[in-house]
Parts: sequence; C-alpha cells; structure tokens
Amino acid sequence: QVQLVQSGAEVKKPGASVKVSCKASGYTFTSYGISWVRQAPGQGLEWMGWISAYNGNTNYAQKLQGRVTMTTDTSTSTAYMELRSLRSDDTAVYYCARVVVVAATGGWFDPWGQGTLVAVSS
Amino acid sequence: EIVLTQSPGTLSLSPGERATLSCRASQSVSSRYLAWYQQKPGQAPRLLIYGASSRATGIPDRFSGSGSGTDFTLTIRRLEPEDFAVYYCQQYGSSQYTFGQGTKLEIK
Repeated sequence: QVQLVQSGAEVKKPGASVKVSCKASGYTFTSYGISWVRQAPGQGLEWMGWISAYNGNTNYAQKLQGRVTMTTDTSTSTAYMELRSLRSDDTAVYYCARVVVVAATGGWFDPWGQGTLVAVSS
Repeated sequence: EIVLTQSPGTLSLSPGERATLSCRASQSVSSRYLAWYQQKPGQAPRLLIYGASSRATGIPDRFSGSGSGTDFTLTIRRLEPEDFAVYYCQQYGSSQYTFGQGTKLEIK
C-alpha cells in the first residue's frame, strides 16, 4: 500500500536548522510530488511548499522563501525538507504528503505521512 | 494569495443528523481545484474530496462535496460517531496553496 514514513522528533535551539525526511513506498515515486504542511500546537494546517519528484521543481510558500529547501533522492524514494534559522514559532508537527499532480499548479494531497514533531526551544 | 474562510468554526450535531460545512474563497478557485480533509486528534489529515466533488478512494458515500467559483460545501448525510473531527478545505488552483482555518464537528 502507499505509505509515507517520516523521521523522528527533533528538538532544536533557535537559529539552528532541521532536516526532516519522508520515505515513500508502494508507488512510483517519480510520478508524483511531495508537499510539506505544518501544524503548530492547537492550530490549523499551513502549507509550506511542494516538490516534483519527477523533475525536482519546487514551489515554496512565500512566507518561508529563503528559509526552506525541499529535495528528493529518487534512488531511495525519499523526500527531505530543511528549515533554517529556526524560531520558537516554528515549533510544529511537520507532515509530508504525496501530491497527485493534475495541473501545472500541482494537485491534492493523498496520503499523508505520520508527522514529525519539531520543537524549537532554548 | 487566495484566502479560504470556513464556517461555522464549530458545529454541534448528533449522530444521524446532516452536517453542512462551508468554505468560501476570496477569489475564484480555478477548475474547481478544491479539496477537503478530515483530521482526528493525534492523527494526520485524510483526504475526503478532491476536485470539489470527487470522493477519494475508500470514503463512504455519505460524504459529498459541491460548489464552484468561490463557494464550496462539504455535506455529511447521516453522521456516524467516527465523523466527529476537524475538517479543512484547501485550494490547489493557484501556485500558493492555502487551507481554511478548519471547522470542528463535535457531538451535541
């Protein structure tokens, strides 16, 4: 079955960087994209960006431009999201999700990974 | 950026009742590129509806989506106990995706 398995929880200090992985299985990795979405404690969903696993093209949320980098390793069917210059308000659960690409803008998200808690604290 | 506003913020209903959740966009969502997700506490979101009205694989037919342009609706025909959760709409018709703030469906 289609599955996305994310790396474990992280605790980081302000100013540091974090890199979260998302390993895909059960489908042809390069036929879809991967999006990243985060959820601060008790809050809603915030879209961070997505990457085409086919050609590596990326589209980031304007709010995070310059601080986030999304990459893929097609040899291991793994996607990565790196967030730099961490602040306390970056504390959140980070989800990856498979993007079913239907247009130049991308598509819907199905399924989602289990989530990775990133806590930023001094 | 397209802003999605969901209403109501909280909906209190009983099992067996019909739920109607609204998602209004600040500008037209092209090609009905709108999805609905369900999220239960401690779990990742799950896709319910894509393309405004197409049910995802394995989603019961009591869930239905409708709408176009700026107004979209998720309807749950007869609420089951497992349907009480938070629901989010999301648009993917522009390069900057956005989510609504969510509607919490709670047991009355």
